[in-house]
Amino acid sequence: SQQGEEDPQALSIQEGENATMNCSYKTSINNLQWYRQNSGRGLVHLILIRSNEREKHSGRLRVTLDTSKKSSSLLITASRAADTASYFCATVYSYNTDKLIFGTGTRLQVFP
Amino acid sequence: DAGVIQSPRHEVTEMGQEVTLRCKPISGHDYLFWYRQTMMRGLELLIYFNNNVPIDDSGMPEDRFSAKMPNASFSTLKIQPSEPRDSAVYFCASSRGTQSAEAFFGQGTRLTVV
Repeated sequence: SQQGEEDPQALSIQEGENATMNCSYKTSINNLQWYRQNSGRGLVHLILIRSNEREKHSGRLRVTLDTSKKSSSLLITASRAADTASYFCATVYSYNTDKLIFGTGTRLQVFP
Repeated sequence: DAGVIQSPRHEVTEMGQEVTLRCKPISGHDYLFWYRQTMMRGLELLIYFNNNVPIDDSGMPEDRFSAKMPNASFSTLKIQPSEPRDSAVYFCASSRGTQSAEAFFGQGTRLTVV
């Protein structure tokens, strides 16, 4: 079963705007990862945040993690048409497992 | 490294036929995952291996599905007999361990069972 639920399911914005996607999960985690999937392609890893971290940056990406609320957010700043894709959060449970479970995803459309 | 390689990219088969999907993980990665993606159910983890040993196959939907990893550079996912509801995109991914590292995905196999 899926661990994460993402919100919104779909998001449409103009180039230059910021895009924020949220992920909620159900159980304690070791880390949370964000992936991107272009249409018809495999998933590509974007960023990993550990349970003891609260915020992480990578280029135009900013990820936050609130373990008390079991939620994470992905912010893409100054979006580009090339950012159009589906974005997924994935969690690894905190106990001894490498099981990587994906959320439902957010479809982002960036209009030029 | 060429990344995770899956074959075939597309497969169309008739109901009742056996289907075998193949995956070559990235060299040096000791974890291998099989996922299935559909519009209705999203990305589902079917099974994962560590050092060629199946660790968790709780996501395998039915006995018709089986997966093997005979060595560190090859894995198969077999469906026998196939049914139309098995139509999906099947992804293979490999990792050095998701407790601290990301997973690398193949391009997927789009399976259509008619």
